Amino acid sequence: DTGVSQNPRHKITKRGQNVTFRCDPISEHNRLYWYRQTLGQGPEFLTYFQNEAQLEKSRLLSDRFSAERPKGSFSTLEIQRTEQGDSAMYLCASSLVSSGRDEQFFGPGTRLTVL
Amino acid sequence: AQSVTQLGSHVSVSEGALVLLRCNYSSSVPPYLFWYVQYPNQGLQLLLKYTSAATLVKGINGFEAEFKKSETSFHLTKPSAHMSDAAEYFCAVSNTGGFKTIFGAGTRLFVKA
Repeated sequence: DTGVSQNPRHKITKRGQNVTFRCDPISEHNRLYWYRQTLGQGPEFLTYFQNEAQLEKSRLLSDRFSAERPKGSFSTLEIQRTEQGDSAMYLCASSLVSSGRDEQFFGPGTRLTVL
Repeated sequence: AQSVTQLGSHVSVSEGALVLLRCNYSSSVPPYLFWYVQYPNQGLQLLLKYTSAATLVKGINGFEAEFKKSETSFHLTKPSAHMSDAAEYFCAVSNTGGFKTIFGAGTRLFVKA
């Protein structure tokens, strides 16, 4: 399977705990994106990387959120001191930027439930 | 700033009937426009995209959309609905760099037998 993969698929945690999600993009893709999707809403942009550089962060990404892409391949999204409002589906996408084309391919998402 | 409005959070059609999902966008620059489909517990799959070439865009699974600049619309259609089309559909807009995609709230399509 050469698609975008995300782990874990589901995470249940207690309020105040830290969680970390992983995204493995399509191997040759140089851009990687994180989105958050709450029930009944479309995905909301959180941040994106071009290779290992984090180029933009949404104001939705509070200080408790941090994302890394250390070697320009996989990425992690960490949420510290989780709150019930963090419960959502976290989607990762990747794309190959060439000749102005930037089609994003999405992973299956990680569903976070904060109790 | 860019935004997307999807008219109708739920649309119900009979199998074999026309599917019409409405999307209006706002963009201060020439936009890229997309339609994605999401099945339960899955990620988003690209149906089609408009990138300033032909205004009528054909996508996968028999879907197509027409870019109408004067109406700032990008409605999604399919001539004949199948049961397998039941899913959530999202319209999205991005700038020409494509790095920041803004999604609409989605329209859930129900297909009745």
